[in-house]
Amino acid sequence: EVQLLESGGGLVQPGGSLRLSCAASGFTFSSYAMSWVRQAPGKGLEWVSAISGSGGSTYYADSVKGRFTISRDNSKNTLYLQMNSLRAEDTAVYYCAKVVPFGGVIVIDYFDYWGQGTLVTVSS
Amino acid sequence: QSALTQPRSVSGSPGQSVTISCTGTSSDVGGYNYVSWYQQHPGKAPKLMIYDVSKRPSGVPDRFSGSKSGNTASLTISGLQAEDEADYYCCSYAGSYTDVVFGGGTKLTVL
Repeated sequence: EVQLLESGGGLVQPGGSLRLSCAASGFTFSSYAMSWVRQAPGKGLEWVSAISGSGGSTYYADSVKGRFTISRDNSKNTLYLQMNSLRAEDTAVYYCAKVVPFGGVIVIDYFDYWGQGTLVTVSS
Repeated sequence: QSALTQPRSVSGSPGQSVTISCTGTSSDVGGYNYVSWYQQHPGKAPKLMIYDVSKRPSGVPDRFSGSKSGNTASLTISGLQAEDEADYYCCSYAGSYTDVVFGGGTKLTVL
């Protein structure tokens, strides 16, 4: 059974940093691209970032480019999101999701499994 | 990328059918057959219901079906049940590697 378990969320001041983790199990982690998707309170879903199975390719939404860094440790079956220079508009539940690609290792077709999410609140 | 357009809410009685639309452009919904739909109950993670416009993952009831015409994709739920009450989000590939765009979500109420 595929399981994704996020952790690391919390309250942080504007300009601060936070690192999220997503522990994966139930599938060959290194064979799949992974992604972070966020949901602001009462709002819809927004794709944030993705990383290839090897970790060699990373992609970001314009809204977080230059501030967030996605990475993975395939020996630990864990996905990370380092978030720096946080802003109030980054407040959201952050979900990690397993990517099903088409036409290549990272081109996103859909997300077949999602974690339960971790809440990040940016406020003074 | 702009969000895909979904109705804010739809409703139906048990046993009825409802359809949720998802309107994009020729750069996303209309240009590719990579539309997916997700169900989200309050406080829960999204769950994949439909992928590649009309395919159902294992375990999703066949009451759920998807289609597309031009720049608009649709999710139809037939034989509505109380447990179908949730938010539904569409999502489409938008043309470059990881470019995916979501709809704003539709709240389904089962009367």
